[in-house]
Amino acid sequence: KNQVEQSPQSLIILEGKNCTLQCNYTVSPFSNLRWYKQDTGRGPVSLTIMTFSENTKSNGRYTATLDADTKQSSLHITASQLSDSASYICVVSAVYGGNQFYFGTGTSLTVIP
Amino acid sequence: ETGVTQSPTHLIKTRGQQVTLRCSSQSGHNTVSWYQQALGQGPQFIFQYYREEENGRGNFPPRFSGLQFPNYSSELNVNALELDDSALYLCASRVFGSYEQYFGPGTRLTVT
Repeated sequence: KNQVEQSPQSLIILEGKNCTLQCNYTVSPFSNLRWYKQDTGRGPVSLTIMTFSENTKSNGRYTATLDADTKQSSLHITASQLSDSASYICVVSAVYGGNQFYFGTGTSLTVIP
Repeated sequence: ETGVTQSPTHLIKTRGQQVTLRCSSQSGHNTVSWYQQALGQGPQFIFQYYREEENGRGNFPPRFSGLQFPNYSSELNVNALELDDSALYLCASRVFGSYEQYFGPGTRLTVT
């Protein structure tokens, strides 16, 4: 069964600290993995996308890693800001038509002053 | 901004009623997907439309139906609303075959 699991479910960190979010998946055949940031009540916005051959991808203070062998990904946030408070969703795409997007349930991050 | 728009922003309906949600895709995008996102959960795939036809469906009952128009905009219709239908409804557009999809801001539906 194609699944995407994220941990932790929620996280609270102090402003300026770093944090790492985890994503494990069983989607096959794998095409790519994407991390989204979703502010409360808003649509998700793409942060990074990685294909099978990519191990790491950065977007400013966000760095995503991918280990296709162990089917794990992480999103590292450096020097967190209050505006980073949001839900972070891992989405894995499979290589076939129709619904090929599998969503994790997200990690809710709260950055406090 | 992704260029994907949805209307209305918020909606309150009574159980048993019907609702229509609308989505305008980003320019040049011919594929629209709809998702239901309950509070604290990840989006759940409802269905996808390409060339004005349903092209993939998730585990949702037939009372969830949709349309896609020649300009690629789309509607999501839900009949016989139930309390559990209360959620954020997201649409996402892309070019068919591309894995890069862009989400709209969502419509918050509350069923009382």
